[in-house]
Amino acid sequence: AQRVTQPEKLLSVFKGAPVELKCNYSYSGSPELFWYVQYSRQRLQLLLRHISRESIKGFTADLNKGETSFHLKKPFAQEEDSAMYYCALSESDYKLSFGAGTTVTVRA
Amino acid sequence: DTEVTQTPKHLVMGMTNKKSLKCEQHMGHRAMYWYKQKAKKPPELMFVYSYEKLSINESVPSRFSPECPNSSLLNLHLHALQPEDSALYLCASSPPGGGLSGNEQFFGPGTRLTVL
Repeated sequence: AQRVTQPEKLLSVFKGAPVELKCNYSYSGSPELFWYVQYSRQRLQLLLRHISRESIKGFTADLNKGETSFHLKKPFAQEEDSAMYYCALSESDYKLSFGAGTTVTVRA
Repeated sequence: DTEVTQTPKHLVMGMTNKKSLKCEQHMGHRAMYWYKQKAKKPPELMFVYSYEKLSINESVPSRFSPECPNSSLLNLHLHALQPEDSALYLCASSPPGGGLSGNEQFFGPGTRLTVL
């Protein structure tokens, strides 16, 4: 069963415009959610985890249990934000369920 | 040392070859993972070792054989692979507790495997 849904495969925005990547999840317990990012020719790395409620590189994500969503937002996109973004749900010990990913392109 | 390293970076092998992928971390993590990633797709979990014991095998074909010689090393032995096994193989590690409680998985750069 699909645990994490990222409805947008591709997202293109202009530099300085806001960007929002959608993530919806399906989980019966208390979810542990993450956003991972994979820049071109770089390793997959953690961007945000909901439990920390932090802002990294200007990105924020809020867990909305009512809407079962964990959308990623940035008010002003930069060219260096161009990358593949994966939303991930920790299903159990050691198992991360990844969404299909959203490729973000920020145009000058 | 705060990185997961993987060797080799690239590997080309025939369907009758035997080869091994190697992963190493010195962060004191006690869980290590193998993932397979196809182009433009998310990583797919293959195996998890916890405290050097195999704890998860996601029904991976036996032509893939993992090994965890110690808490810092993880190997993936390959034998009689098929062309469809060509992919990026990622190793990851995480502190005790795995992906829960906000613990992140740290990923290596991957080994790009091509099976001819």
